[in-house]
Amino acid sequence: GENVEQHPSTLSVQEGDSAVIKCTYSDSASNYFPWYKQELGKRPQLIIDIRSNVGEKKDQRIAVTLNKTAKHFSLHITETQPEDSAVYFCAAVRRGYQKVTFGIGTKLQVIP
Amino acid sequence: GAGVSQSPSNKVTEKGKDVELRCDPISGHTALYWYRQRLGQGLEFLIYFQGNSAPDKSGLPSDRFSAERTGESVSTLTIQRTQQEDSAVYLCASSPPTGTGWYGYTFGSGTRLTVV
Repeated sequence: GENVEQHPSTLSVQEGDSAVIKCTYSDSASNYFPWYKQELGKRPQLIIDIRSNVGEKKDQRIAVTLNKTAKHFSLHITETQPEDSAVYFCAAVRRGYQKVTFGIGTKLQVIP
Repeated sequence: GAGVSQSPSNKVTEKGKDVELRCDPISGHTALYWYRQRLGQGLEFLIYFQGNSAPDKSGLPSDRFSAERTGESVSTLTIQRTQQEDSAVYLCASSPPTGTGWYGYTFGSGTRLTVV
């Protein structure tokens, strides 16, 4: 089955700096990679996703990159703000199979 | 409905009692998932439904855990003879049929279970 590794597990950055979270996946048949943000005490919410036919996708201050050959994908947050503080989960979905495999999560703390 | 609805939002139960947790997915979402999240931990997969069948129940931790789903609607997760280690937030998620081109989950708000 699919295995998703995520690092770092915790990340502290100063407000205004960039944050990068990296993930690797094992199943070459995975073709969809969503990222979820979970604020304290709340449900995980989809913030951005990328498909395997795309190398990069950007939405305002967040961007995701995908390297299919290396089976790496990353989340980049620029100009971080305190409200970006949360746990971020990367995930992978295998083509034709709906179950999402999640990484272990990264706790991001943005220090004002 | 407009979102994934879970009930109850909080449940405190005595060790050894049975509990039922309910999930009402988004209308039209054929797939439904249960996850467990212990305090400060990641998302632990429990079971996945496609319609009312469960092609993957590999995450159920023991035979005290079971789940059912009626058609493409409500699902119930049952924990029998609860133990303190069952204390966690139980999250339900649903997703639309394959072929729609979108696979993202929508999560419910979860049920916080505390076993005392």
